[in-house]
Amino acid sequence: DQQVKQNSPSLSVQEGRISILNCDYTNSMFDYFLWYKKYPAEGPTFLISISSIKDKNEDGRFTVFLNKSAKHLSLHIVPSQPGDSAVYFCAAAGGTSYGKLTFGQGTILTVHP
Amino acid sequence: DAGVIQSPRHEVTEMGQEVTLRCKPISGHNSLFWYRQTMMRGLELLIYFNNNVPIDDSGMPEDRFSAKMPNASFSTLKIQPSEPRDSAVYFCASMSGVRTQYFGPGTRLLVL
Repeated sequence: DQQVKQNSPSLSVQEGRISILNCDYTNSMFDYFLWYKKYPAEGPTFLISISSIKDKNEDGRFTVFLNKSAKHLSLHIVPSQPGDSAVYFCAAAGGTSYGKLTFGQGTILTVHP
Repeated sequence: DAGVIQSPRHEVTEMGQEVTLRCKPISGHNSLFWYRQTMMRGLELLIYFNNNVPIDDSGMPEDRFSAKMPNASFSTLKIQPSEPRDSAVYFCASMSGVRTQYFGPGTRLLVL
C-alpha cells in the first residue's frame, strides 16, 4: 500500500522554464510534507517543507503548494536551472509516528540548457 | 557543522559475512533513522531511534538485521549473515525537534 505516490517517474524541462513536480497521498493523518532533492552518490538533501495548516510555502525559486481536500502537493521551481537536475522525493509525516517519514518513489528532473 | 557522517561509503563483501554500517548523527539531534534504498522498493525506513531508544523497527526485514544506538553520537546497523539481496544503499538520517530529517551520504553495499 503506497501511501505517498509520485506518478511521474521523470520530467524534462528547458532552462528558465517552470518545473512542476507532483505528489499524491492517501493517509489523512499526514500533516507535514517535505521535498528532498537527491544527486547520484549523495544522500537526499532537504529542500522545502509545508505544514497542513498552510497551503503554500515559498523559498527562493522553490514553492510548495498543498491541496488538502485533494490530498495533493506540488513543487514549483522557477526558473529551472541545469543544476536542478536530480531526483526529487516527496515525503509525508504525521499520525502516531512522530517524525517518521513516508517517501514517494521519486521523480527524475532533467533541465536542459 | 559536519552533517551526518556514515562509514564506510562503500562495502563489498561475500555472502555469509557480517557487515557493520556506522553513523554519526548531527550533534544535538535526538532522533536517528536508518533507511535502505533499492530500485524495486525505493527509500524504505528500517528502524528509528528517539533519545537512543528504538521506537519503531517494523521495517527491519528479518532477524539478520540489527541496529544499536549506544549513545547520542553513534549508531550501527549490522547484517549477519549477509545475503546478495541485501545489496543496496543504506542511509542514516538525524532529526531534532522540527520534523526535518537530514541525511548522510549513504553506504553502498554489495554482497557477492
